[in-house]
Amino acid sequence: DTAVSQTPKYLVTQMGNDKSIKCEQNLGHDTMYWYKQDSKKFLKIMFSYNNKELIINETVPNRFSPKSPDKAHLNLHINSLELGDSAVYFCASSQVMGHTEAFFGQGTRLTVV
Amino acid sequence: AQTVTQSQPEMSVQEAETVTLSCTYDTSESDYYLFWYKQPPSRQMILVIRQEAYKQQNATENRFSVNFQKAAKSFSLKISDSQLGDAAMYFCAFIGYSGGGADGLTFGKGTHLIIQP
Repeated sequence: DTAVSQTPKYLVTQMGNDKSIKCEQNLGHDTMYWYKQDSKKFLKIMFSYNNKELIINETVPNRFSPKSPDKAHLNLHINSLELGDSAVYFCASSQVMGHTEAFFGQGTRLTVV
Repeated sequence: AQTVTQSQPEMSVQEAETVTLSCTYDTSESDYYLFWYKQPPSRQMILVIRQEAYKQQNATENRFSVNFQKAAKSFSLKISDSQLGDAAMYFCAFIGYSGGGADGLTFGKGTHLIIQP
């Protein structure tokens, strides 16, 4: 069973479109995250969710919005996509925020054309 | 804010030999965790090893071990008996307790490890 799963794995879309990436974890973890990996492989946190509450929102454009229907899911919605949004987006979860390792999904490669 | 520095963009090692990847970090926190993650071409982020800052003993996982020097803020990864499957990007990462870890993991820029057969 996949611990943290993301869909889709690949997403190609045109500028201006709105898209969503889904994430689910079956580990029973309390905390979920979204990370962005740019073309130089640099990983940076975008959002943290603890028990469905947004804990931190890094300086990301408000075109990006995380939505959590329940503790096991954290979806990422992106409006008005721009070329610069092209990247790999990772969902992750951890059992206890700040005290345990994060388990990552397989990533979603988003390409905006 | 904390920073994580990996000064080796790329390393190459012969199969079966030992290689050490460097990582230094800067933080004002006293309680934190450090990790090494591996990212093979499949893109999956895989936890290699973790170290709690309050533990003096260096963590070990099979062929992987760390040299944690808290005063020097250094956290290097040693891979013994390198195997072809070890070829990947390796990321050093930090998470602090203050704020409950809400800042998430802070990553270094990564070291690309090449294994020569």
